[in-house]
Amino acid sequence: NAGVMQNPRHLVRRRGQEARLRCSPMKGHSHVYWYRQLPEEGLKFMVYLQKENIIDESGMPKERFSAEFPKEGPSILRIQQVVRGDSAAYFCASSPRDREDEQYFGPGTRLTVT
Amino acid sequence: AQSVSQHNHHVILSEAASLELGCNYSYGGTVNLFWYVQYPGQHLQLLLKYFSGDPLVKGIKGFEAEFIKSKFSFNLRKPSVQWSDTAEYFCAVNWDDYGGSQGNLIFGKGTKLSVKP
Repeated sequence: NAGVMQNPRHLVRRRGQEARLRCSPMKGHSHVYWYRQLPEEGLKFMVYLQKENIIDESGMPKERFSAEFPKEGPSILRIQQVVRGDSAAYFCASSPRDREDEQYFGPGTRLTVT
Repeated sequence: AQSVSQHNHHVILSEAASLELGCNYSYGGTVNLFWYVQYPGQHLQLLLKYFSGDPLVKGIKGFEAEFIKSKFSFNLRKPSVQWSDTAEYFCAVNWDDYGGSQGNLIFGKGTKLSVKP
């Protein structure tokens, strides 16, 4: 039973480019969560999605960041016009329906903006 | 705003020593409490959680945590650590009666534990 998959594991982008981070939840899970970890910081909640629906985006920056979880395919976290401050590890978690307390985490994507 | 504090950034212990990692949260109310562990090169894994009931919670690998509501604390303990417990430990809290969703976990900054063989 595969766990939460994230790809790529490492992503390097130049300032101004776009970054797309993918997350495939565990089989049978319908909820996805994105967190960001800056150096020397804990994980910060960004967004919580169900398929085709954003439940809570209270942690998403107002500009340049967007997330989706389509009916088919992985969840995507998209960062437009990246800046150096976006360099971080981005973690995705998934949970079964109505079990937000059971979040299983993926290995993360480490984004480096040069 | 809600926050979670972990008192120690890095703890170094010898094998068989006892462990206690502190975790405090900023706001009262009804909370759900978690400890996660990240072993070197691995994913975050849930170690234990508290929702209600007995405030002393037992988790995997001999870990336990005690919820003390009056102190807003949820400290992690293990009587005798092993070299394989070397990892980073994160405390996380979710508030039932805060405006955010149930999925919004607030994490502490983590504590690195190094166990010397």
